[in-house]
Amino acid sequence: AQSVSQHNHHVILSEAASLELGCNYSYGGTVNLFWYVQYPGQHLQLLLKYFSGDPLVKGIKGFEAEFIKSKFSFNLRKPSVQWSDTAEYFCAVTQNTGGFKTIFGAGTRLFVKA
Amino acid sequence: DTGVSQDPRHKITKRGQNVTFRCDPISEHNRLYWYRQTLGQGPEFLTYFQNEAQLEKSRLLSDRFSAERPKGSFSTLEIQRTEQGDSAMYLCASSPLSYEQYFGPGTRLTVT
Repeated sequence: AQSVSQHNHHVILSEAASLELGCNYSYGGTVNLFWYVQYPGQHLQLLLKYFSGDPLVKGIKGFEAEFIKSKFSFNLRKPSVQWSDTAEYFCAVTQNTGGFKTIFGAGTRLFVKA
Repeated sequence: DTGVSQDPRHKITKRGQNVTFRCDPISEHNRLYWYRQTLGQGPEFLTYFQNEAQLEKSRLLSDRFSAERPKGSFSTLEIQRTEQGDSAMYLCASSPLSYEQYFGPGTRLTVT
């Protein structure tokens, strides 16, 4: 069965530290990959997406993610986090087979200390 | 358009009662999804619609759950004979022809 694994459930960083959140998926076919973010008190919103082409994608607020097909990974990165990045981050995968079912990881809760 | 809306935002019900939630998607989006989210977990896929057609339903979804999207506009999710294990946040999302989804604020269900 298709699954998405996020390596860390909780991450605590100081401002200006670098961030990398891991995401691995188990589906072997063509996929579309997403990172969604949920800020405190707000609903889920898209951070960035990968459909095809350049495996390094850039999203909002300085976030980027790299798709490594051989590792079935789509890790999220940010060179220097800010207090306002405190949120929960979800990796999601949609199989690109004509169906639109999306599987989400369990999420990583990031707390950035000011 | 102000985005995806869901109603009610909170629902408290007694075990055994039926509940119905409504989702209004972004008007030009033809795909609509329902998810369930519990504490410490990501959204769990329940079902999705392409226009008015329900194209996939999670095998995890019992027969007590049903969803409709008449005329391809708003959608309703009904849970019959609620159980305490149904307590969760129920999320709705809509999508244009690309795969990215736009989420509503969710309906928090508490079954007592």
